[in-house]
Amino acid sequence: DTGVSQDPRHKITKRGQNVTFRCDPISEHNRLYWYRQTLGQGPEFLTYFQNEAQLEKSRLLSDRFSAERPKGSFSTLEIQRTEQGDSAMYLCASSLGERGEKLFFGSGTQLSVL
Amino acid sequence: ELKVEQNPLFLSMQEGKNYTIYCNYSTTSDRLYWYRQDPGKSLESLFVLLSNGAVKQEGRLMASLDTKARLSTLHITAAVHDLSATYFCAVDIIGSRLTFGEGTQLTVNP
Repeated sequence: DTGVSQDPRHKITKRGQNVTFRCDPISEHNRLYWYRQTLGQGPEFLTYFQNEAQLEKSRLLSDRFSAERPKGSFSTLEIQRTEQGDSAMYLCASSLGERGEKLFFGSGTQLSVL
Repeated sequence: ELKVEQNPLFLSMQEGKNYTIYCNYSTTSDRLYWYRQDPGKSLESLFVLLSNGAVKQEGRLMASLDTKARLSTLHITAAVHDLSATYFCAVDIIGSRLTFGEGTQLTVNP
């Protein structure tokens, strides 16, 4: 499978715990994006990387959230001190980086904070 | 702030019928995307529309873009059950992020 892969598929955690998600983009893709989707809504942009550089962060990304993309390959999204409002589907997408090119989305990580 | 609005949000239609989903956006853009999402699954790219007047067709779906009206349409011809899904439009104005609409949940009944 050469698509975007995300791990884990599901994560259940208690409020206050830290969680980390991983995304492996399509291998030749330079850009990697993180989106968050809640039930009945469209995905909301969180952040994106061009190779290893994090170029933009949404206001939605509070200081409890941090994302990395070491060496421009896979990426991790960490949420510290989780809150119930963090419960959502976290989607990763990648593209070659040309404007107007479609994004390829992974299957997402469903986070439930109890 | 860019706003992307879709209507209808819910659409129930019979097999064989035609219908159109509308996507309006609030800021000038010449790049619009349509995605499909099945329940519990990720988003699948359907169309990328890159200029005013662009029209693309794939099977029973046809998408068009009118940048002057800030409007895109997704037309469904002779619907079949397999088209049941949620359809999202998304707009790119910065070149780095997509802003999505709320989605249109389509149910095609036999």
